[in-house]
Amino acid sequence: NAGVTQTPKFQVLKTGQSMTLQCAQDMNHNSMYWYRQDPGMGLRLIYYSASEGTTDKGEVPNGYNVSRLNKREFSLRLESAAPSQTSVYFCASQALGGNQPQHFGDGTRLSIL
Amino acid sequence: GQQLNQSPQSMFIQEGEDVSMNCTSSSIFNTWLWYKQDPGEGPVLLIALYKAGELTSNGRLTAQFGITRKDSFLNISASIPSDVGIYFCAGPMTHSGGGADGLTFGKGTHLIIQP
Repeated sequence: NAGVTQTPKFQVLKTGQSMTLQCAQDMNHNSMYWYRQDPGMGLRLIYYSASEGTTDKGEVPNGYNVSRLNKREFSLRLESAAPSQTSVYFCASQALGGNQPQHFGDGTRLSIL
Repeated sequence: GQQLNQSPQSMFIQEGEDVSMNCTSSSIFNTWLWYKQDPGEGPVLLIALYKAGELTSNGRLTAQFGITRKDSFLNISASIPSDVGIYFCAGPMTHSGGGADGLTFGKGTHLIIQP
C-alpha cells in the first residue's frame, strides 16, 4: 500500500525560482495537509484542505499557495523561492470523522540557495 | 497560539533502560497524540489519547493523558536499538477534538540508544 506519496524527494532551487511539490494519497481520505519541519522544530502547518474543493491557511502560509486538484491530490507551490523556505516538507492525509489519525508521506527535502 | 513543550530535548540511554518523556501545554487539549519519526521518513502515529486520565499501551509503549488536560506522558520500557528516533507529541489545532484543522506539534525528544 502506497499511502501518502510525495514527489520529488529532493530538490535544490535558486532564490526566485518557482516550484510545485506534489502529494497524492490512495486511502480515499477527505482531508489533506502540508507541514514544514525545520531543524530542532516540530512540524508546522502551512495549509490544509478539510475536504475536496476547500483550502485554508495554517500557521505559516506566507510565500506558499496550494491546490486541491481532486480528492487524491494536494499540491504546494512556491512562486518565488526564498532561502527561508529551505526545509523538509511533509504532506499528510486524514479520514473523515472525529479523532482519525493523520498519515504522513516521507517528505520532500528542499534547499534554496 | 497553542504551544506544546516537550522534555527532555534529547536522551542518551543504554539499551534495556526505560524511557520517560513528557509534553505540556498552557491550553487544554481534548486529544493527545504521540508520533515517532525515523531518519528520512515521515512521522508515524504510536498512540492516541482521547480522554483525561486515559492510560493506553502499544507493546512496550505506554502513554497517559493528564488529568488537567494540559499534559501527557510517554514511557518506553526495556528500550531496544530500533527505538532510536524523534518522538513528537501533537494535538489538534482546534479544541474540538478530532477535527480536520491540522495538528500542532512539540519540538520533539531525540532518543539515542547506546548498545
